[in-house]
Amino acid sequence: RKEVEQDPGPFNVPEGATVAFNCTYSNSASQSFFWYRQDCRKEPKLLMSVYSSGNEDGRFTAQLNRASQYISLLIRDSKLSDSATYLCVVNMAGGGADGLTFGKGTHLIIQP
Amino acid sequence: ETGVTQSPTHLIKTRGQQVTLRCSSQSGHNTVSWYQQALGQGPQFIFQYYREEENGRGNFPPRFSGLQFPNYSSELNVNALELDDSALYLCASSSLDRGLSYEQYFGPGTRLTVT
Repeated sequence: RKEVEQDPGPFNVPEGATVAFNCTYSNSASQSFFWYRQDCRKEPKLLMSVYSSGNEDGRFTAQLNRASQYISLLIRDSKLSDSATYLCVVNMAGGGADGLTFGKGTHLIIQP
Repeated sequence: ETGVTQSPTHLIKTRGQQVTLRCSSQSGHNTVSWYQQALGQGPQFIFQYYREEENGRGNFPPRFSGLQFPNYSSELNVNALELDDSALYLCASSSLDRGLSYEQYFGPGTRLTVT
């Protein structure tokens, strides 16, 4: 079983729509969770950390469900500039010594 | 911008050669992690350096080695290059001294092509 699994997509979504991605992780001892965004041939950029209580940043909402071991990202009122690959990321151990474990990413295309 | 820089941006090497990639971390950060990203895949953790010592390692052979300097900049060295080493190499900067924040900030990467 892969450590972090995501639906690769692509998700083709009209501008203004709401889109949601889920991601599952295998290690129940995982400590920290993140969503990164990666544009084509660029480096990953931190979109948001994900907390147990859920968190929101503008149009973006992230949720963590530890019991089911999944993380979600919701994008409301999607913009053309939201087109990118969204990487679900888990830190398997406290302190970061094992590095971040990335999913393969979900490709999102916002259509005008 | 994250303030993390990497050099060179692109590199072409032949099989069997050695390569050194460099990374300067963000001001205030003491930890550098290195990742390999093959086309169509998520980044894979190579190793992490904290206060000049290796602090964790992923599933990469010993021909992948590194260093961290007193100013927290870092090098990734790869010996005996293989064709499969062609990838984007990313370094990420973070701080392990600031509570439970493990957020890592990536540099622009070095794209290595092995022929």
